[in-house]
Amino acid sequence: GAGVSQSPRYKVAKRGQDVALRCDPISGHVSLFWYQQALGQGPEFLTYFQNEAQLDKSGLPSDRFFAERPEGSVSTLKIQRTQQEDSAVYLCASSLGGGSGETQYFGPGTRLLVL
Amino acid sequence: RKEVEQDPGPFNVPEGATVAFNCTYSNSASQSFFWYRQDCRKEPKLLMSVYSSGNEDGRFTAQLNRASQYISLLIRDSKLSDSATYLCVAVNTGFQKLVFGTGTRLLVSP
Repeated sequence: GAGVSQSPRYKVAKRGQDVALRCDPISGHVSLFWYQQALGQGPEFLTYFQNEAQLDKSGLPSDRFFAERPEGSVSTLKIQRTQQEDSAVYLCASSLGGGSGETQYFGPGTRLLVL
Repeated sequence: RKEVEQDPGPFNVPEGATVAFNCTYSNSASQSFFWYRQDCRKEPKLLMSVYSSGNEDGRFTAQLNRASQYISLLIRDSKLSDSATYLCVAVNTGFQKLVFGTGTRLLVSP
């Protein structure tokens, strides 16, 4: 079956530009997560949805970062007025239920480079 | 200090060698633990869960020591295809988010 998909796979933005990153989770998966992975580091949590509800956004680094999942399926991570420090791989993951410790399946990521 | 700490490596080992990675976590509320594998420029994939009783999956053995807040991964008879970054992961009680270590890079050479 289809896994988690993300688009675009690569994005180059000029500093100050707004970007939108899309995630299509595995069909039927209730939970959806966004992580940010800087070069040479492990992924860092950004935000978590259970269906359409954003239950945890404690990892969003600033108010320039905004995520939504309006119909409980596809999610978009938006970054406004991008800065060079936003350059990273943005990973989306989904899991079947809402339980703690459930297996999360990752998409291939969107590699963002801000010039 | 990071909540989950790992030696970043790289660990360079010959094929057939046994290699062990260690990881420590600082949050006593951590309740679930995993090892994920990440190939270069790819997404992380679950390798195995980690239990206090220890668990084995083929050539891979994972162990958790709650008293010392320490997790290990042992790989026996290393293959070239084992070359990757191994990420230690914790999940805290009542939360769903994964807390990752920096990752340990393994290079297996012929």
